[in-house]
Amino acid sequence: DAGITQSPRHKVTETGTPVTLRCHQTENHRYMYWYRQDPGHGLRLIHYSYGVKDTDKGEVSDGYSVSRSKTEDFLLTLESATSSQTSVYFCAISERGQYQETQYFGPGTRLLVL
Amino acid sequence: TQLLEQSPQFLSIQEGENLTVYCNSSSVFSSLQWYRQEPGEGPVLLVTVVTGGEVKKLKRLTFQFGDARKDSSLHITAAQPGDTGLYLCAGARYGGSQGNLIFGKGTKLSVKP
Repeated sequence: DAGITQSPRHKVTETGTPVTLRCHQTENHRYMYWYRQDPGHGLRLIHYSYGVKDTDKGEVSDGYSVSRSKTEDFLLTLESATSSQTSVYFCAISERGQYQETQYFGPGTRLLVL
Repeated sequence: TQLLEQSPQFLSIQEGENLTVYCNSSSVFSSLQWYRQEPGEGPVLLVTVVTGGEVKKLKRLTFQFGDARKDSSLHITAAQPGDTGLYLCAGARYGGSQGNLIFGKGTKLSVKP
């Protein structure tokens, strides 16, 4: 258990509403990631963070924003949710060696946008 | 864009059979990880391979990293129903921006008793 929790675990919302997902770690890792997982697409990186207030975009960042004000928390916000953002969202933290990176995943948040 | 192609996409076998899952790319990776994911849960790391040609064994699972560090395979001997799940490979790039992992789309394995 890598000490990662996600909240909420399930959420149903309506199109156009803002949604914030929270990832919390107890491992003090520098790197944190948000992915979405959809059938036929696998895991796709939304945003990642390499330190407090240091974030960058991933492959599918449109419609999403993130914030990291503390090492332990990484928030993902859908400013105005759309049905295409219905997905399972995973947070991950990573340890980085010189030539390798290992990511540890949270349990996921299942989001349904109606 | 670097891609990791996994094959097969789906695999349904009987208990006791052997199987191999492949992960291929045209790009070189500094290391490669294999994860297993069960329904309703996040992926869980199985193994990391770092050296070209490296072979690692985890009970009935054998992982190999290609000599050129572009491909990897996962072989399961005498599969059991408990092996059922989604198997993901992920490659770590040399340098690049903050060392993100590139994930394959996964192989969904079903082992029937």
